[in-house]
Amino acid sequence: EVQVVESGGGLVQPGGSLRLSCAASGFSFSGFEMNWVRQAPGKGLEWVSCISGSGTTIYYADSVKGRFTISRDNAKNSLYLQMNSLRAEDTAVYFCARRTTWNFQPSFDYWGQGTLVTVSS
Amino acid sequence: DIQMTQSPSSLSASIGDRVTITCRASQSINNYLNWYQQKPGKAPKLLIYGVSSLQSGVPSRFSGSGSGTDFTLTISSLQPEDFATYHCQQSYSSPTTFGQGTKLQIK
Repeated sequence: EVQVVESGGGLVQPGGSLRLSCAASGFSFSGFEMNWVRQAPGKGLEWVSCISGSGTTIYYADSVKGRFTISRDNAKNSLYLQMNSLRAEDTAVYFCARRTTWNFQPSFDYWGQGTLVTVSS
Repeated sequence: DIQMTQSPSSLSASIGDRVTITCRASQSINNYLNWYQQKPGKAPKLLIYGVSSLQSGVPSRFSGSGSGTDFTLTISSLQPEDFATYHCQQSYSSPTTFGQGTKLQIK
């Protein structure tokens, strides 16, 4: 059974840092691009970052570029998001999501339950 | 970035009703359109990919259609478990973007 489980969220002051983790199981982790998607309270979904299966290709949303760093450890089947210089507008539930492609159509087919990050003084 | 706009933002309906949710892209996204269902406090669940292909295990009362910039999600006969928020997503160009969500509530 495919599972992705996030951890590491919490309360942090503006300007602070936090590292999120996502533990994957039930599939060949290194074969899939992984993504972070966030959802601010009462808002829609916002894509944050992605990393290719090998870890060599990485992209970020403009809103987090230069502050967040995505990484993965394929030996540990784990995905990470290092978040620095956090702002109030980064407050959200952060989801880890697997990207797949069926019939050349990309989508996010497995998501974790999310971890809440609250940036407040 | 491609902007995705869903309508309505919220919708009240009854069990057994036929419901349609619309998603409009700010430019053509060909057939790179996905739909997700999200229940409170839970992760989004992939329902439909590529406009109209049902993800494995999704009931056949869900269907998707559209092309270019205009797309619809239809639930043919609402069941109690269908009351949730629905999100569309374009995967045509980077960054992928989502609609603001449509909350489907019980009337």
